[in-house]
Parts: sequence; C-alpha cells; structure tokens
Amino acid sequence: GQSLEQPSEVTAVEGAIVQINCTYQTSGFYGLSWYQQHDGGAPTFLSYNALDGLEETGRFSSFLSRSDSYGYLLLQELQMKDSASYFCAVGGGFKTIFGAGTRLFVKA
Amino acid sequence: DVKVTQSSRYLVKRTGEKVFLECVQDMDHENMFWYRQDPGLGLRLIYFSYDVKMKEKGDIPEGYSVSREKKERFSLILESASTNQTSMYLCASSSMGRGQGDTQYFGPGTRLTVL
Repeated sequence: GQSLEQPSEVTAVEGAIVQINCTYQTSGFYGLSWYQQHDGGAPTFLSYNALDGLEETGRFSSFLSRSDSYGYLLLQELQMKDSASYFCAVGGGFKTIFGAGTRLFVKA
Repeated sequence: DVKVTQSSRYLVKRTGEKVFLECVQDMDHENMFWYRQDPGLGLRLIYFSYDVKMKEKGDIPEGYSVSREKKERFSLILESASTNQTSMYLCASSSMGRGQGDTQYFGPGTRLTVL
C-alpha cells in the first residue's frame, strides 16, 4: 500500500526553528512535495525534492533521503503567520498522495 | 496569476439531492483533480482527469462521478447526496507530467453540508 506519515501537531515559539518530518511508503516515487494550508484557505505549494539533499527557499528548506524514504520541512525564523497545516505529498503516475497534515502552532 | 475557481464556497443540500460542483482553471493545464478533505485524513483523491473527456478513479470514487467536456472545466457530481459526503471539496490542476514535481494549484474549496 501507499502511505505517508507526519506528526499531527507541532508547537513552536516565534523566531524559533521547527522541523516537520515525513516518512513515506509508496510504489513509484517521483518526488516529495510540501504544501501549506491556512485555516479556511487552499493548499499552496511550498517546495519539491526529486533528488536527495536540501532545497532552500527563503526561510523554508526541504530535505529528502530517498534511501530512507524520509523527508522534512524546516521552517526558520518562525513568524505567527506560519501557523498553518503543512502537508507532505508524493507523486506517482498521475496521482499525488498527501499525508494527513501537520498542524503548526506558533506562539508569541 | 494562476487561478483555480470553484462555483461555491459553501453549499447546503439535502440527502438524495443531485449535487454539481464546478471547477474552472485558467492555466491551460492538462490535469485536473477533485479531492475531499476531512479532519485527520488529509486530502483524498476522488477522481482525476488528464485530458478532455478522460477520467480516472482516485482512492474514494464511490458515490461520485465527474465530467470534463472542456479543458478548463472539471465537474464533480454527487448523484444522490448522503450525509457522509459532508466535507470540504478541493479542486486542483497541474500541467502535464506523471507526478514528477508537477505543482498542483488548488481552488478555494467548497464546504458541502448534506442534511
């Protein structure tokens, strides 16, 4: 079967660094994506890793280890506006499988 | 600017009614998707389409059908709505590709309540 596992909730303080992990078990792996969704909003694309290693986009970085079927999203210099749900997703064929999401709470 | 629009943000229907959810994208994307989102379950794929008049079942197609008569428009149909179809429905589109990093662009969602 295909599955993705990520923590349901993470809490951190403003200005801190937080890491959201994702482990996956899929057939036909093409890459690991991350999406952000604020309450009442649509998911929006954050990053994509096809190869092992770290991809950096501003305050957000994403890491992939294909041999470990593992990746993470790293958020630095946390801001209150980063409070949202974060989904990891893997693509295989035309289907993208999404994790259940991690709810990030950023406290002042 | 990339845009995916959905016909309604909120919809209330009665059990047994036929429900149409419409999605339109203006990016000339080949692929379109319908998901439902429920707390703790993430996004689950109902149906997707990779071309006009083409459709493929996702993970939870039971009780749903779809229609894609034009490239920009993808409709989700609930033939006979039931209370367990109360959910947030999200439409998405992406450019051609076999899941290889093809970013999905989502609409704002339709929160459907079936009474």
